[in-house]
Amino acid sequence: AQSVTQPDIHITVSEGASLELRCNYSYGATPYLFWYVQSPGQGLQLLLKYFSGDTLVQGIKGFEAEFKRSQSSFNLRKPSVHWSDAAEYFCAVGGMDSSYKLIFGSGTRLLVRP
Amino acid sequence: DVKVTQSSRYLVKRTGEKVFLECVQDMDHENMFWYRQDPGLGLRLIYFSYDVKMKEKGDIPEGYSVSREKKERFSLILESASTNQTSMYLCASSSGTGYSKNIQYFGAGTRLSVL
Repeated sequence: AQSVTQPDIHITVSEGASLELRCNYSYGATPYLFWYVQSPGQGLQLLLKYFSGDTLVQGIKGFEAEFKRSQSSFNLRKPSVHWSDAAEYFCAVGGMDSSYKLIFGSGTRLLVRP
Repeated sequence: DVKVTQSSRYLVKRTGEKVFLECVQDMDHENMFWYRQDPGLGLRLIYFSYDVKMKEKGDIPEGYSVSREKKERFSLILESASTNQTSMYLCASSSGTGYSKNIQYFGAGTRLSVL
């Protein structure tokens, strides 16, 4: 079955510290992978995407993610977190055979300590 | 920039009422989606549409219907609202070609409370 797992429900980091949010997927074909961010009371904003090619992708707001096929992972990273990064983060998977649909993880809520 | 507009940010309805949630996108996108978001469950797809008057069921269509009479507008209908439909509803759209069809753009959401 196709699925996305975000094992951390909450993560708390101090401002200026590095961040890694985990994402594992199960998908039968070549996956297209996405990270979205949702600020309180808002819709989802696309942070970055992976379709093919270089497995390290850069996104907006200083985020990056690395696709590791052997581990079925697409972890999100940021070297130095800002207080404004506090939000909920969703990993999603889609593909050429997905009928346009994305499968979302359950989300990770990031809290930033001053 | 793509703009997806949901007509209401907050709605409060009574059990048994018929509820319409409206979504409009301004980028001439072929595909439109309705999701429901609940804590700990992420986003679950209710219905999607890949063309005017076309629709397909998502993962949780029970209790919902949709309408797409114009390309830019996709409506979610709760025929008889129930308390278990209290949730955040998100609309999204994507273009119809190539990789882009997988890139979904979201509205700000409608938080629906059914009392």
